Amino acid sequence: GENVEQHPSTLSVQEGDSAVIKCTYSDSASNYFPWYKQELGKRPQLIIDIRSNVGEKKDQRIAVTLNKTAKHFSLHITETQPEDSAVYFCAASITGGYNKLIFGAGTRLAVHP
Amino acid sequence: EPEVTQTPSHQVTQMGQEVILRCVPISNHLYFYWYRQILGQKVEFLVSFYNNEISEKSEIFDDQFSVERPDGSNFTLKIRSTKLEDSAMYFCATAVQADTQYFGPGTRLTVL
Repeated sequence: GENVEQHPSTLSVQEGDSAVIKCTYSDSASNYFPWYKQELGKRPQLIIDIRSNVGEKKDQRIAVTLNKTAKHFSLHITETQPEDSAVYFCAASITGGYNKLIFGAGTRLAVHP
Repeated sequence: EPEVTQTPSHQVTQMGQEVILRCVPISNHLYFYWYRQILGQKVEFLVSFYNNEISEKSEIFDDQFSVERPDGSNFTLKIRSTKLEDSAMYFCATAVQADTQYFGPGTRLTVL
């Protein structure tokens, strides 16, 4: 079955710096890759997603890139702010079926003022 | 903006007791999921549900677990005889299509 590896497990940056989180997946049939942000004690919130027919997607300070050949995708956050501090999870799934999400282990991002 | 809701927010139970966790999906959503997250760990898929039947389940979802949509609105997860290792946050997620999923706020289950 699908396996998603996520790195790093923790990331500490200064406010204004960029942050990059990387994930790799094992199942070449996976075609949908969402990223969720989870603040302490709260629900995972979808922040951006990308499908396999697209190589890059951007939404303001957040961007995601996908390399299907290498089976990896990355989250890029520019001009980080303290409110970006949270745990970020990547996930992979196969749409067209029932689309169970397989999550990475998470990255705890700390943005220091 | 509509959101998935879950009740209760926190459930404390004794080992061996039955618990029912409830989820109210976003109204036009047709695909329903349960995930769990043990404290400090990743979110794990339990089960997906579509057209009033289970479409896929994980190894975690054994005979002690069941799901149903008893009244066409609530989506429930039942654990028949809870174990200590069932302690976790349980998230319901729903989707219009088998695509973007929206998560509820979770139910924290504590088994003593």
